[in-house]
Amino acid sequence: GQQLNQSPQSMFIQEGEDVSMNCTSSSIFNTWLWYKQDPGEGPVLLIALYKAGELTSNGRLTAQFGITRKDSFLNISASIPSDVGIYFCAGPSGGSNYKLTFGKGTLLTVNP
Amino acid sequence: GAGVSQTPSNKVTEKGKYVELRCDPISGHTALYWYRQSLGQGPEFLIYFQGTGAADDSGLPNDRFFAVRPEGSVSTLKIQRTERGDSAVYLCASSLKGGQNTEAFFGQGTRLTVV
Repeated sequence: GQQLNQSPQSMFIQEGEDVSMNCTSSSIFNTWLWYKQDPGEGPVLLIALYKAGELTSNGRLTAQFGITRKDSFLNISASIPSDVGIYFCAGPSGGSNYKLTFGKGTLLTVNP
Repeated sequence: GAGVSQTPSNKVTEKGKYVELRCDPISGHTALYWYRQSLGQGPEFLIYFQGTGAADDSGLPNDRFFAVRPEGSVSTLKIQRTERGDSAVYLCASSLKGGQNTEAFFGQGTRLTVV
């Protein structure tokens, strides 16, 4: 089936630094989603991308839908301690618009 | 409450026992999804309900797993003859429109531990 590869697996940064993480696939995705998961909680949608080349921002977060439809990246600017968590990319798979495939996540740690 | 509610938040059971996990979706949401998240992994799709019916159960790993949503609101995921490999966090999500997973909201999950 379709798989999503996220990198890096983990990141340790200082508060105030910018962060970049990405997600790649061997298959085309028509939608790219970025989620954040805090410990003991479910994933929360951060940004949704629907068109190749689309660049979308949500506060300090910016995500882009790759032109090839096989990749996406998420940037976080001026990180703060509450940015700590696991970031997942996801996309609808199996020809459906509801069955999501998730990557394995990028664990972000922010040192104050 | 305003969000998706899952109970219990934690469940420890012995191998071979039967368990039920409950999901209360956001009021008015017709679509409901179950996912399973193993340690160090992203969530994996199990089943999708549109109203009372299971529109897609292709993610259920085997026939020990079953889910119902008899009145189109609350859903119960049932696992028979539990195995240690069933240990995971089971996540429920709901969305207002059927098949629009981008609009889905997740609950906090039920952490199942089979000993």
